[in-house]
Amino acid sequence: DAKTTQPNSMESNEEEPVHLPCNHSTISGTDYIHWYRQLPSQGPEYVIHGLTSNVNNRMASLAIAEDRKSSTLILHRATLRDAAVYYCILRGKGAQKLVFGQGTRLTINP
Amino acid sequence: NAGVTQTPKFRVLKTGQSMTLLCAQDMNHEYMYWYRQDPGMGLRLIHYSVGEGTTAKGEVPDGYNVSRLKKQNFLLGLESAAPSQTSVYFCASSYEPTGTTEAFFGQGTRLTVV
Repeated sequence: DAKTTQPNSMESNEEEPVHLPCNHSTISGTDYIHWYRQLPSQGPEYVIHGLTSNVNNRMASLAIAEDRKSSTLILHRATLRDAAVYYCILRGKGAQKLVFGQGTRLTINP
Repeated sequence: NAGVTQTPKFRVLKTGQSMTLLCAQDMNHEYMYWYRQDPGMGLRLIHYSVGEGTTAKGEVPDGYNVSRLKKQNFLLGLESAAPSQTSVYFCASSYEPTGTTEAFFGQGTRLTVV
């Protein structure tokens, strides 16, 4: 399984944008980049995924580097509710396992 | 639509006791997963299943057994609980691993072994 590398923690202020980076230098051509987040005392929840092009949904945006070796999850206007651990995961076609790394613990200051 | 439901939500076991955690999903998903999460740590994959009647080992399978007799249910068993198995257990399911489908998680089972 291709590995991802994320900073252990990040901090931001409420109502400001947050950019969460993820490095995946060994990504293969068929790997999708997925992001999940885990709010305190809850199970993880899906945030967004993409392959090559940038993606937007109601929760966040995903910016993917042209060489696909890195990506950035963008929260456009952070709220206190966005404080969570964010996981960047690669999922390839036919990959049976869903393996999590350590993720980035995001703290939002009021 | 219940999604992924885990039973029980909390349990305290004595060392050496056995128990079964139940995960049920109502989304007709093929793939199901069991994870454990220790305090301040990420999720570690225990076992997973790619369809009814199949199971496979994940990253930390020792001390656990699983069964998938029905497509909608994935059971995690602890035959002889140890304090090292104190953790929060999460179950997840997904339709198929094409890379485009998301996984859905339960709310977790907090297990304490004393």
